[in-house]
Amino acid sequence: SQTIHQWPATLVQPVGSPLSLECTVEGTSNPNLYWYRQAAGRGLQLLFYSVGIGQISSEVPQNLSASRPQDRQFILSSKKLLLSDSGFYLCAWSLGVTGELFFGEGSRLTVL
Amino acid sequence: GDSVTQMEGPVTLSEEAFLTINCTYTATGYPSLFWYVQYPGEGLQLLLKATKADDKGSNKGFEATYRKETTSFHLEKGSVQVSDSAVYFCALRRSGGGADGLTFGKGTHLIIQP
Repeated sequence: SQTIHQWPATLVQPVGSPLSLECTVEGTSNPNLYWYRQAAGRGLQLLFYSVGIGQISSEVPQNLSASRPQDRQFILSSKKLLLSDSGFYLCAWSLGVTGELFFGEGSRLTVL
Repeated sequence: GDSVTQMEGPVTLSEEAFLTINCTYTATGYPSLFWYVQYPGEGLQLLLKATKADDKGSNKGFEATYRKETTSFHLEKGSVQVSDSAVYFCALRRSGGGADGLTFGKGTHLIIQP
């Protein structure tokens, strides 16, 4: 069966420090991959999606970037964090362009 | 563009009460519709789905019917439990699919009191 893992689960970082969140999917090939952000008390905002290795689409201009170095690995990065980057980050995958998304456990980032 | 509208709450009910969480959408054609549940500190779990008009999705006592004429996908449960306390998200994937995933509502915070 397919599984998705994100790490770290919790992260506290100072303003201006770098960020790397990782997401790995197991048990499937060539998934579509997604990064969402959920700010406190708000809904989900799509940040990036990827349909294949090295292919990244950005939905919102911001302080973050994403990379897909391997078929089932998706990384969210920042060179210098801002206070406004705080939130709950969710990785997800789907097969093809129809059907549901499957989410990871989430990574809570607090920028101080 | 596509959009999903749902009551944000919090919605507070007593245990064993009847639950309805309204969800309406704006989209062309026949999108696929979903309900997700998020327990505190966790990711989203798919609760149920419907892919065409008049389909009824059901799971764990929850039901929702895809109503094309009213562009709605309301979530219902006959008798809620304290363990149902969570945030519920309505979502759609546009007709024909799309690499950019799902469009979500803002979520409804449900609190069930014993």
